[in-house]
Amino acid sequence: EIVLTQSPGTLSLSPGERATLSCRASQSVTSSYLAWYQQKPGQAPRLLIYGASNRAAGLPDRFSGSGSGTDFTLTISRLEPEDFAVYYCQQYDKTPLTFGGGTKVEIK
Amino acid sequence: QVQLVDSGGGLVKPGGSLRLSCVASGFTFTDYHMSWIRQAPGKGLEWVSYINTSGSGIYYADSVKGRFTISRDDAKNSLHLQMNSLRVEDTAVYYCARGNKYPGYWGQGTLVTVSS
Repeated sequence: EIVLTQSPGTLSLSPGERATLSCRASQSVTSSYLAWYQQKPGQAPRLLIYGASNRAAGLPDRFSGSGSGTDFTLTISRLEPEDFAVYYCQQYDKTPLTFGGGTKVEIK
Repeated sequence: QVQLVDSGGGLVKPGGSLRLSCVASGFTFTDYHMSWIRQAPGKGLEWVSYINTSGSGIYYADSVKGRFTISRDDAKNSLHLQMNSLRVEDTAVYYCARGNKYPGYWGQGTLVTVSS
């Protein structure tokens, strides 16, 4: 099973600041089969990024994904008030499909 | 617009059964693999099961294998999850999702609580 470790657990930032979220895999994720999701309280997750760096339709370009192999990053260039949420990475390279434990981005 | 409506959750005793349903609209249901993903209260996400377009390819997480059965009714644009021998640790919000790799559409979720 590919274990995904997200860091930090919580990120305290102010609107307008840059957020950098990390996702490390226990083994290489082939072909960058990695996705990122945003989840707000009481809502279903929302797909942000797939294939490590491809934005989902309609996603603002302040969100970007990068990385390969075992190290992946989600960057939010300038935080907007609606970006404060929990973010999950997920690999779809091998079954079982697995998610990271999440990073909470909170208002400082 | 794409819509997935989950239903069927509720309170059940350990060892009991429950059947979840998801009705899809706004897209050609037969073109898509479908999944169930769950989230225990205050916890992260766990992929439970998925089924391919033909219904012949099915995956289960080890935690539910032998107890849960996924199925689809293409005539009714619906996805189901039959959950038997439920355990306290199955307590979660269950989401129906479109796709089996990186779902772009999710239902609103239905809460399953397993408790005596």
